[in-house]
Amino acid sequence: NAGVTQTPKFQVLKTGQSMTLQCAQDMNHNSMYWYRQDPGMGLRLIYYSASEGTTDKGEVPNGYNVSRLNKREFSLRLESAAPSQTSVYFCASNRAGANVLTFGAGSRLTVL
Amino acid sequence: DQQVKQNSPSLSVQEGRISILNCDYTNSMFDYFLWYKKYPAEGPTFLISISSIKDKNEDGRFTVFLNKSAKHLSLHIVPSQPGDSAVYFCAALNNAGNMLTFGGGTRLMVKP
Repeated sequence: NAGVTQTPKFQVLKTGQSMTLQCAQDMNHNSMYWYRQDPGMGLRLIYYSASEGTTDKGEVPNGYNVSRLNKREFSLRLESAAPSQTSVYFCASNRAGANVLTFGAGSRLTVL
Repeated sequence: DQQVKQNSPSLSVQEGRISILNCDYTNSMFDYFLWYKKYPAEGPTFLISISSIKDKNEDGRFTVFLNKSAKHLSLHIVPSQPGDSAVYFCAALNNAGNMLTFGGGTRLMVKP
């Protein structure tokens, strides 16, 4: 089982460029999440999707959009990247009613 | 304002001794708490959890203690091993069960 797979693992962007981070899980989980990790700040929730067809804002949604393409896939899009979005991004998932999240390995994004 | 705080950014202990990692929270509506462990270039992995109706949960070398009146929890690792060297995140789940709030993390170094 691959678990939660994120692509790409690394990306460098220039300010104003756009990109999409992809996430897929093969555990038949209902809920999926996008977090960002910054030094000393822990992981902060950007957006989540409780089930296919629904998305909700988390703690730091500004500058991001998401799409729950199907039950397996949840993508995060930066329409116009800013240096403040330099971070490590983690996708996670869990089944309905479960408190434990399973995380992907992360995507390191640098915006110059 | 961070609702979950880990005030020690780092901790160094000798192999075989006890490691104690601390976490404080401010939101009394949190009712489930988790500890995650993170190695470099990997996603966080679930370690141990505790419900707010308990004050202790033990799993092998790992024990989590919860003091609700003080809004404080701690993770004890006994005995500590070099393989325990990682960043440890405390996390709290809201009572709706849809949002996990993380602390800033504590880097544990276990010296041989």
